[in-house]
Amino acid sequence: EIVMTQSPATLSVSPGERATLSCRASQSVSSNLAWYQHKPGQAPRLLIYGASTRATGIPARFSGSGSGTEFTLTVSSLQSEDFAVYYCQQYNNWPPLTFGGGTKVEIK
Amino acid sequence: EVQLVESGGGLVLPGGSLRLSCAASGFTFSTYEMNWVRRAPGKGLEWVSYISSSGSTIYYADSVKGRFTISRDNAKNSLYLQINSLRAEDTAVYYCARGFDISGSGSPWGDYWGQGTLVTVSS
Repeated sequence: EIVMTQSPATLSVSPGERATLSCRASQSVSSNLAWYQHKPGQAPRLLIYGASTRATGIPARFSGSGSGTEFTLTVSSLQSEDFAVYYCQQYNNWPPLTFGGGTKVEIK
Repeated sequence: EVQLVESGGGLVLPGGSLRLSCAASGFTFSTYEMNWVRRAPGKGLEWVSYISSSGSTIYYADSVKGRFTISRDNAKNSLYLQINSLRAEDTAVYYCARGFDISGSGSPWGDYWGQGTLVTVSS
């Protein structure tokens, strides 16, 4: 099973600032990596797939990078609606599909 | 508009059973692989089960193998999860999530999810 590790667990950021979230895989997942945003009471929202491709309707302030075992999600200028929990997920080698533990982005 | 709507959750005693449903609309359900994913209180997302577009291939997480059964009815555009021998650690919001499209549209895994249905296992 591929273990996905996200850091930090919590990120305190002021609106308008840049947020950088990290995700590490226990073995290479190539570019088969997705990022999701999840808010309480809502469905998870796909942000990025293929490590760097924005999903339909996702604002350009969200960007993904990396390949192999190290990945980054960057939010260039945080808006109020961006405060949420973010998950990475690998779909390179499954079952099982595996998610990281999540990074909570909170208002500083 | 693509919609996935889960139902069937509720409060159940340890050892009990429930059948979750996911009604799909707005896309050709029969060409999509489907999944169940859950989120327990205070924890992250956990993939639970997968079913191929035809229903011929099925996978489960080790944590639910032997207790959960995934199925689908393409004529009714519906996905199901039969959950038996429930434990406290199965308490979670259960989401259905769209997987890959075998027709080759290129739509990514996880582009649509339902709002979830809450399963609470407690005495």
